[in-house]
Amino acid sequence: QVQLVESGGGVVQPGRSLRLSCAASGFIFNSYDMYWVRQAPGKGLEWVVVVSYDGRNEYYADSVKGRFTVSRDNSKNTLYLQMNSLKTEDTAVYFCAKGDTVITPYLDYWGRGTLVTVSS
Amino acid sequence: QSVLTQPPSASGTPGQRVTISCSGSSSNIGNNYVYWYQQFPGTAPKLLIYRNNQRPSGVPDRFSGSKSGTSASLAITGLRSEDESDYYCAAWDDRLKSVLFGGGTKMTVL
Repeated sequence: QVQLVESGGGVVQPGRSLRLSCAASGFIFNSYDMYWVRQAPGKGLEWVVVVSYDGRNEYYADSVKGRFTVSRDNSKNTLYLQMNSLKTEDTAVYFCAKGDTVITPYLDYWGRGTLVTVSS
Repeated sequence: QSVLTQPPSASGTPGQRVTISCSGSSSNIGNNYVYWYQQFPGTAPKLLIYRNNQRPSGVPDRFSGSKSGTSASLAITGLRSEDESDYYCAAWDDRLKSVLFGGGTKMTVL
C-alpha cells in the first residue's frame, strides 16, 4: 500500500535552516508529481511546492519562493524540502502528498505530516 | 486571504442535504478541475472529489461535486454525524502558476 512518511521537523530559530524528507513506498515514485502542503496551527491548508515526476519542473508558493527548495531522489524514493531563512510564519505541520502524472491538485495520498516550529 | 473563497462554516441536521460553495476566477476554477478534501482534526486531508465531480473509490455517494463557470460546490446528502469535519476546495491557477486551496469550511452536524 502507498505510504508517505515525513521526517526532519523540529524547533528552529528564525533565520536558520531545516531539511524535511518524505520517504515514499507502495507506488512507482518516479512516475508521479509530488507536493508539499503545510498547515499552520488552527489554520487552513496552504500549498507550498510541487515538483514534477522527473524533477525538471518546480512551482513554489510566493510565500516561500527564494527560501525553500524542493528536490527528489528517484533512486531513493524520497522527496526533500530544504527550508532556509525560516520565519515564524513558517511554523506549521508540513505534509507531503502524492500527485498525478500531470501538475494538478489531485493529491490522493498524504503523509501524517511533520511539525516545524520556528521560534526564538 | 485565499483566492478560492469558501464560507467559513456550514451546518445541518442529520439526514439533511447541505452544500459548500467555492468561488474562484477564470484563471483557476473557470479553466481547471476542482478538487475537494475532507480533514478531521489532527489528521491528514483526504481526497473526497476530483476532476469536479468524480469520487475516489471508497468515498460514499452521499458526497457529490459540481462546477459552473468560476464556482464549484460540494454537496452532502443524508448528512451524518461523522461528516462533521473541515472541507477544502482546490484548483490550479494558470496565471499564478500555483495550486490554490480555499480557506476551508467547518461543517457542523447539529
